[in-house]
Amino acid sequence: EDQVTQSPEALRLQEGESSSLNCSYTVSGLRGLFWYRQDPGKGPEFLFTLYSAGEEKEKERLKATLTKKESFLHITAPKPEDSATYLCAVQHYNSGGGSEKLVFGKGTKLTVNP
Amino acid sequence: DAGVTQSPTHLIKTRGQQVTLRCSPKSGHDTVSWYQQALGQGPQFIFQYYEEEERQRGNFPDRFSGHQFPNYSSELNVNALLLGDSALYLCASSAPRVGLDIQYFGAGTRLSVL
Repeated sequence: EDQVTQSPEALRLQEGESSSLNCSYTVSGLRGLFWYRQDPGKGPEFLFTLYSAGEEKEKERLKATLTKKESFLHITAPKPEDSATYLCAVQHYNSGGGSEKLVFGKGTKLTVNP
Repeated sequence: DAGVTQSPTHLIKTRGQQVTLRCSPKSGHDTVSWYQQALGQGPQFIFQYYEEEERQRGNFPDRFSGHQFPNYSSELNVNALLLGDSALYLCASSAPRVGLDIQYFGAGTRLSVL
């Protein structure tokens, strides 16, 4: 059974203090690993998809990396507007060619203080 | 281009009642997935619809059922509501068969069961 574990559960940073969020996963045949951002009371907002070990993607102050067992979301010089819950999800291959379900972790709640 | 839209935004029901939630997918998307997100948890997969049929189902009882219409919009029905059904219900759309496999989420419907 696919499993995703995110750490830490909560993280408080000062503005400008860089850090990383971790996502460890167990999946039979990884098709993709997804990062989403979720603001309170809203739906998850897509950030990145990573497909193979060694792959990296960047967007503004965020950089996602992938190994065979885990993914990291690096946040460089964060700002208060980066405060949100960051969700990691994995997807394995669907032999039928469809869109396999996403299996999510519980998320990391990030708070960036000014 | 409208994203994924869900209605209503909030619902309050009592135990034993039935509820119907609605979702319109992003333009060009034909696959709709439903997720349940309890407070402080990651989203849990309920089921997925494509070509008006349920293609995948998560570990949810038969009280949870759905439907997809020819215009790709979808409904989630929950019968005999329990207190534990209180959650944020998320709809996600995608178009995997044309290579658009990222699932984009709506803002969700907040269901409270009293």
